[in-house]
Amino acid sequence: DAGVIQSPRHEVTEMGQEVTLRCKPISGHNSLFWYRQTMMRGLELLIYFNNNVPIDDSGMPEDRFSAKMPNASFSTLKIQPSEPRDSAVYFCASSFGQVNQPQHFGDGTRLSIL
Amino acid sequence: GENVEQHPSTLSVQEGDSAVIKCTYSDSASNYFPWYKQELGKRPQLIIDIRSNVGEKKDQRIAVTLNKTAKHFSLHITETQPEDSAVYFCAATPANEKLTFGTGTRLTIIP
Repeated sequence: DAGVIQSPRHEVTEMGQEVTLRCKPISGHNSLFWYRQTMMRGLELLIYFNNNVPIDDSGMPEDRFSAKMPNASFSTLKIQPSEPRDSAVYFCASSFGQVNQPQHFGDGTRLSIL
Repeated sequence: GENVEQHPSTLSVQEGDSAVIKCTYSDSASNYFPWYKQELGKRPQLIIDIRSNVGEKKDQRIAVTLNKTAKHFSLHITETQPEDSAVYFCAATPANEKLTFGTGTRLTIIP
């Protein structure tokens, strides 16, 4: 099992640019979660999908953030336009079942907005 | 929504001693309590979890206890080793609501 796969591992871009983060969940898992981790705010849930449907997007900071899950094996998190305060590590996680099941994290994308 | 508090924020113990990290939660409907270990620059990894119908669970040197009445749960690590040094996060969730994480405990094992 390859685990949750995220790309890119690192992203450095200038303010105002569009950023797209990608995630491939573990095969067979039907829930997918996007988290953001910063020193100030810790680990916070942005959005989660169950069976490709967004269930809770209350953690998405603002309209600049959007997420999609077009099929069971792929999801994207997009930031447009990006701002320096979006700099963080973004983790994708997946589980079989819903929120109260073990979640397996990917290696994360370290995003730096200059 | 759920609120999880975690203490202490930092903890140093001598190698071979035990370490205890405590968390409290606010929502009495919470029924799932995982613990994650995160090494520097790495992803959070699930190390143990417990459900509300169980009071204690052990896995080798790691144990978790749950007190539903007091709404707190604890992670116990015995015979600590240098590789136990990491940040540990607790979390809680009521059914079908988002997982809420504690603020983390940085555990340092002193050789």
